[in-house]
Amino acid sequence: KAGVTQTPRYLIKTRGQQVTLSCSPISGHRSVSWYQQTPGQGLQFLFEYFSETQRNKGNFPGRFSGRQFSNSRSEMNVSTLELGDSALYLCASSLAGHRVVFGPGTRLTVL
Amino acid sequence: KQEVTQIPAALSVPEGENLVLNCSFTDSAIYNLQWFRQDPGKGLTSLLLIQSSQREQTSGRLNASLDKSSGRSTLYIAASQPGDSATYLCATTGANSKLTFGKGITLSVRP
Repeated sequence: KAGVTQTPRYLIKTRGQQVTLSCSPISGHRSVSWYQQTPGQGLQFLFEYFSETQRNKGNFPGRFSGRQFSNSRSEMNVSTLELGDSALYLCASSLAGHRVVFGPGTRLTVL
Repeated sequence: KQEVTQIPAALSVPEGENLVLNCSFTDSAIYNLQWFRQDPGKGLTSLLLIQSSQREQTSGRLNASLDKSSGRSTLYIAASQPGDSATYLCATTGANSKLTFGKGITLSVRP
């Protein structure tokens, strides 16, 4: 069974730009979550989608948004990038009550 | 608000030693607790999942226990090997399906 895939794996952007990250969950998993990982803050929850609906949202500004498509693939978008948005962005998929499976992440660097 | 703590932040042990990694959490109303492993620059690999009704789970040389009433979990690694060197994170799952992570323990196993 293929794992969670994330594209691109690495991104370099400049301040003020916007970026879109993509995540394909494990086949059959309808829940997709996004996390931001930084050395200072650790892993922080961004949002969760289930059946194309945002079910939960973390404490991030509105510049961070996401969506989920009918095939469960998900995208997250960050607009007006700031230096502090440099991080590893991790996507995870799961079945209710089962292990959460993480993708390899997208490393975003904002210059 | 759930808070998850892992102390110490780093640990160095000689190869072959049995070791225990600790995780504490403030809100006992959890659905489950997971232990993850993260290698440098990589995503997270789920090691063990303990449901709230369970006391422990085992996989190979790993054993994780859960004591909800005291807000504690431990990950026991038997006969540690250099390949076990990584960061180990614990995370609780609450009613909103959101994972709350500790900052992790960076383990170094010396040959």
